[in-house]
Amino acid sequence: KAGVTQTPRYLIKTRGQQVTLSCSPISGHRSVSWYQQTPGQGLQFLFEYFSETQRNKGNFPGRFSGRQFSNSRSEMNVSTLELGDSALYLCASSLRASGGSSSYEQYFGPGTRLTVT
Amino acid sequence: SQQGEEDPQALSIQEGENATMNCSYKTSINNLQWYRQNSGRGLVHLILIRSNEREKHSGRLRVTLDTSKKSSSLLITASRAADTASYFCATAREIAGGYNKLIFGAGTRLAVHP
Repeated sequence: KAGVTQTPRYLIKTRGQQVTLSCSPISGHRSVSWYQQTPGQGLQFLFEYFSETQRNKGNFPGRFSGRQFSNSRSEMNVSTLELGDSALYLCASSLRASGGSSSYEQYFGPGTRLTVT
Repeated sequence: SQQGEEDPQALSIQEGENATMNCSYKTSINNLQWYRQNSGRGLVHLILIRSNEREKHSGRLRVTLDTSKKSSSLLITASRAADTASYFCATAREIAGGYNKLIFGAGTRLAVHP
């Protein structure tokens, strides 16, 4: 099976612009989660989607949004970019959605490295 | 604050030696997972241990879980240069609505020297 793919792999944007990142999960996986990774804050959870519905959201401002399509592909959007949004954005897919205190193995894509200048 | 906290933050060893990384967490969990990340790339799932398990093996990896101490350890035996990476533990934290999010610790940077 093909792994999780993310496009683009690298992106350079200017402050104030917006950006859309794309993630294609492993075939058959219906849950997609997004994470932001920075040297200072580490890996932080952004949101999780399952069956086109946002199930979970991390502590990020409303400038960060996402969606999932019927084929489970997901996109995340960041509007009005700030310098602090420079990070590696990781997408992960899972066969099942999280529930209760359970979590399942997540399969990560290679990430999109976003640089905001 | 992060659910999982790894120590040490960095570990440098020679090939062939064993590497032990520890993870502590704060709330009750259903399972704990370990991931590896090679420099600036995506994470790779290594092993998942459930709360009713005490030890789990996968190849050269051995994971232990002590729920009474809220801690876990990852042991890599007979390390190789290719094991050089950052290792993260992750736990699920239940939030409102019955859902949860996977929370990662800060990671341990392991360097294995030939």
